Order: sequence, then structure tokens, then C-alpha cells
Amino acid sequence: AQSVTQLDSQVPVFEEAPVELRCNYSSSVSVYLFWYVQYPNQGLQLLLKYLSGSTLVKGINGFEAEFNKSQTSFHLRKPSVHISDTAEYFCAVSPVNSGGYQKVTFGIGTKLQVIP
Amino acid sequence: KAGVTQTPRYLIKTRGQQVTLSCSPISGHRSVSWYQQTPGQGLQFLFEYFSETQRNKGNFPGRFSGRQFSNSRSEMNVSTLELGDSALYLCASTLSGRVKNTGELFFGEGSRLTVL
Repeated sequence: AQSVTQLDSQVPVFEEAPVELRCNYSSSVSVYLFWYVQYPNQGLQLLLKYLSGSTLVKGINGFEAEFNKSQTSFHLRKPSVHISDTAEYFCAVSPVNSGGYQKVTFGIGTKLQVIP
Repeated sequence: KAGVTQTPRYLIKTRGQQVTLSCSPISGHRSVSWYQQTPGQGLQFLFEYFSETQRNKGNFPGRFSGRQFSNSRSEMNVSTLELGDSALYLCASTLSGRVKNTGELFFGEGSRLTVL
């Protein structure tokens, strides 16, 4: 079984300031890790993913995340946010050997509000 | 390549009615999953279909059902609607082969259901 904890439900930040959205997970097996973004009245779209290799992953729109296995974390960062980054962000995990089954677990989401 | 298409995008029903939502996955994707999204609850997994068979189910009452057709298109049905069924219903597709299944999901824009 897996679980995902997003520590902040809302994060307000001023435009052009840096931001970090925190995600911790729990799993008895190795996992793949994802961050998705949801703009108002839209579905989720993939920001970035960690499958293997380098623990620093770069995604779209200038976001990056770092996988820390010892701390079971996958925090999302952006050095300078823009108004258009205002959205809800979801952290998710999926077991490496799922046998083809869809077993994705999502966090509760973090609403990022960028203040002009 | 066309994305995941969900219809209708918005609908309003009254208590006791039933509703059917449709999802066309990305071409070649054989797995379709459904999620219910409500404020404060995040994404709740409803069920997953693969090759016309339901192979995973979340913790929802029997009023929620689904099916998948031979072309991988999927429908979900909610009978005897309750006020609490008001939500954004998201469909996601994935390749879901037994090899190299990372769990990455491709979402539609959702169907927003309002129950009055």
C-alpha cells in the first residue's frame, strides 16, 4: 500500500519569488513519482516525473523536483513564479512493478496562489 | 495525437436521476480510469477498465458503475443521484502494458456534474 502526504493545502507566494511545494510518500515497494498540475476547470496534466536515474528532475514551465529516497520526499520547486502558475498541484506515486495495473495514489493537492 | 476526450463537460441533474458520462482515451491506450474530485477530498479513485474488464475498483457504492467498449471508450453511470455526487469526474487513460508501465496518466478535462 502507498500513501502520499502534501504538507500544505495552500501556498501563497508573491510573483517572481521562489516556491517549494512539499510531498512525502510512504510505500513498501519502489515507486515512480509524479507531479501533476490542474488549472481551473481543467483536467490534470503532467508537470514532471521521476522514473530512475538522476534524482533532480526537470519538468515543464521551469519546475523541477528532487527525489530523496532516505527522506521519502519529492518536493517541487520553481525559482521564480509567474501569475500563470496559479493552480492546484498534485503529487502522485505508482509502484514500479504494478504488473500493468493502474495503482496510482494521489496526494490531496496544494493550491498555489501567486500574488501580483 | 488527440488527447482524452470527455463528454459532456458540464451537466445539471436533480436528485434521484441518473447520469452517464463518456470518455474516449488516447488512441492505443487500453486502460481507462475514473476519478471523482471534490473540494477537500482530492481525487478519489472510482474504477479502472482494461480490455472491457473492470480490474480495479475504489470504495464507492454500487450506484456508481462503468463499462468499457471494444474500442477502449468508456462510460460511467451514476444512478439515483444524491447531492453529494456533485463533483468533477475525471477520466484518465494509459498504455498499461505489462512492460514499462510507469503509471503515468493522461487526463481528460473532466465532466462537471451538479446535482440539485
